[in-house]
Amino acid sequence: LAKTTQPISMDSYEGQEVNITCSHNNIATNDYITWYQQFPSQGPRFIIQGYKTKVTNEVASLFIPADRKSSTLSLPRVSLSDTAVYYCLVGFHSGSARQLTFGSGTQLTVLP
Amino acid sequence: NAGVTQTPKFRILKIGQSMTLQCTQDMNHNYMYWYRQDPGMGLKLIYYSVGAGITDKGEVPNGYNVSRSTTEDFPLRLELAAPSQTSVYFCASSSHLAAVDNEQFFGPGTRLTVL
Repeated sequence: LAKTTQPISMDSYEGQEVNITCSHNNIATNDYITWYQQFPSQGPRFIIQGYKTKVTNEVASLFIPADRKSSTLSLPRVSLSDTAVYYCLVGFHSGSARQLTFGSGTQLTVLP
Repeated sequence: NAGVTQTPKFRILKIGQSMTLQCTQDMNHNYMYWYRQDPGMGLKLIYYSVGAGITDKGEVPNGYNVSRSTTEDFPLRLELAAPSQTSVYFCASSSHLAAVDNEQFFGPGTRLTVL
């Protein structure tokens, strides 16, 4: 079963830009890439989604190269409240079933 | 608009017992999902449904069963609980299949311990 790969953890300081990369070599042609944020004892929360090139919303940007085998979540000027686990999600076809695979997640710790 | 609700919030089972985790959504979403999350790990898909009466297996379906008789409800059944099923269970819903141009809305989770 194809998997996504992310760094296990990252540290940053308040006010800095943070970039988290996810590798997804077996992404299907019609699959989108979605990033979620999860705080302890809560369900994941949607951050951003894209198919190719660059997507930007009020909280983040998502960069996707032409081959779509990776993606990078960019968080501008992080604050202490951005400390959380960040997951990328893509769907992988497996026979007749779609296997939605979350990455192992990246623990982002923002330091004062 | 409550979104996705799950009951119970916590439960302790003895080995061999069975139980049903309830999930309800009020967004009229066709797609619903059950995930489990083990401590320090990512989410793994157990089952999903593309509409009432239609379900399919995810990555880790063994030991679980689901049904989808209505658009709103997607219960997860554990038969013969085992310690390996100790986990946090999240239900989610989306208007489209989650991997294609879509956003999943997650419930608050059910923390299950099997002793």
